[in-house]
Amino acid sequence: DQQVKQNSPSLSVQEGRISILNCDYTNSMFDYFLWYKKYPAEGPTFLISISSIKDKNEDGRFTVFLNKSAKHLSLHIVPSQPGDSAVYFCAASEAGTASKLTFGTGTRLQVTL
Amino acid sequence: IAGITQAPTSQILAAGRRMTLRCTQDMRHNAMYWYRQDLGLGLRLIHYSNTAGTTGKGEVPDGYSVSRANTDDFPLTLASAVPSQTSVYFCASSEKGSGPYGYTFGSGTRLTVV
Repeated sequence: DQQVKQNSPSLSVQEGRISILNCDYTNSMFDYFLWYKKYPAEGPTFLISISSIKDKNEDGRFTVFLNKSAKHLSLHIVPSQPGDSAVYFCAASEAGTASKLTFGTGTRLQVTL
Repeated sequence: IAGITQAPTSQILAAGRRMTLRCTQDMRHNAMYWYRQDLGLGLRLIHYSNTAGTTGKGEVPDGYSVSRANTDDFPLTLASAVPSQTSVYFCASSEKGSGPYGYTFGSGTRLTVV
């Protein structure tokens, strides 16, 4: 049972445009949501997170939006750059210090010139 | 260098052989994790350890074992490898659960079981 879902395996966006990556979840106990970025032959790296008490968190070109009623979050990248081409994983965890991250299946973003 | 070191980087292993994937961190993080990444399935948790001396099962623990004798090391052992264990394995650590900053990941071990 996939508790965190990324329904788009891939996305292609032109440089300078907005990239929107989507993520849905089923577990209402999730408390924190995170986005990771992964380049080939490297481990995932933390990008941005949002607490369930917020609906938006912004960090430079990256903004994450959370819609708790719809159990949906999205990552916006504006403007998209070629260096943003990577696989993006959505992840979620329940409250508590011993909680573990549950990951989505990933979306491969390609930013074209 | 601060971070997580995984070894080997890649390995081709005959089915039925025993293999230990090594993971060492120098951040003094309490919690450590092993994930496997498979196409279309994302990252799935195999085993975890909240602190030295304790371990727990994740989502896909069968065929794998771990130990946590000290804070820094968290080896993953495949007792008798099977082709379905062909995957990329990532070790990760966190100071205290996941919270807002999540985990620090190693660069991965690409394992092919033939």
